[in-house]
Amino acid sequence: KAGVTQTPRYLIKTRGQQVTLSCSPISGHRSVSWYQQTPGQGLQFLFEYFSETQRNKGNFPGRFSGRQFSNSRSEMNVSTLELGDSALYLCASSLEEVLSSEQFFGPGTRLTVL
Amino acid sequence: AQSVAQPEDQVNVAEGNPLTVKCTYSVSGNPYLFWYVQYPNRGLQFLLKYITGDNLVKGSYGFEAEFNKSQTSFHLKKPSALVSDSALYFCAVRDPNSGAGSYQLTFGKGTKLSVIP
Repeated sequence: KAGVTQTPRYLIKTRGQQVTLSCSPISGHRSVSWYQQTPGQGLQFLFEYFSETQRNKGNFPGRFSGRQFSNSRSEMNVSTLELGDSALYLCASSLEEVLSSEQFFGPGTRLTVL
Repeated sequence: AQSVAQPEDQVNVAEGNPLTVKCTYSVSGNPYLFWYVQYPNRGLQFLLKYITGDNLVKGSYGFEAEFNKSQTSFHLKKPSALVSDSALYFCAVRDPNSGAGSYQLTFGKGTKLSVIP
């Protein structure tokens, strides 16, 4: 099986712009989670989707949003970018309805905000 | 609320020596515990997990971890370190009783492991 894929791998944006990141989970996985990784804050949970519904959301401002499509692919959007949004954004997928399952992570999208 | 602490930012160990990366957790009920490894410019790779049962869990690449409920710890160990083990290691917890069936993981800050030849 192919792993979790994320596109693009690298992005450079300027303050005030918006950005959309994409994630394709492992085939058969319907749960997709997003995390932000920064040197200062570590790995922080952004949100989680299951069957096109947001099931859980972390403590991030409304500028961060996401959605999931019927094929389980997910996108996250950040509007009005700030310098502090520079980070590695990781997507992870899990086997549905098995809470003991590990999450499988993609390689991440490195976002740099100038 | 659940939390994870990795008390050491960095661990240095000589090649061939045993290694330990420490992790303690806080969760209201019985936790699901995970270890992940991250190599430079890569995502996280799953190493092992504790769900229930035997307190000693064996995982990928010769790693193992010991769950200690009384000390709320889940330390990662390997009997003989390799230079290729040098990476960033994350401990994570999921509270299965948090409601809504969420897969959310709460991560520690990470421990950088350096194995010296």
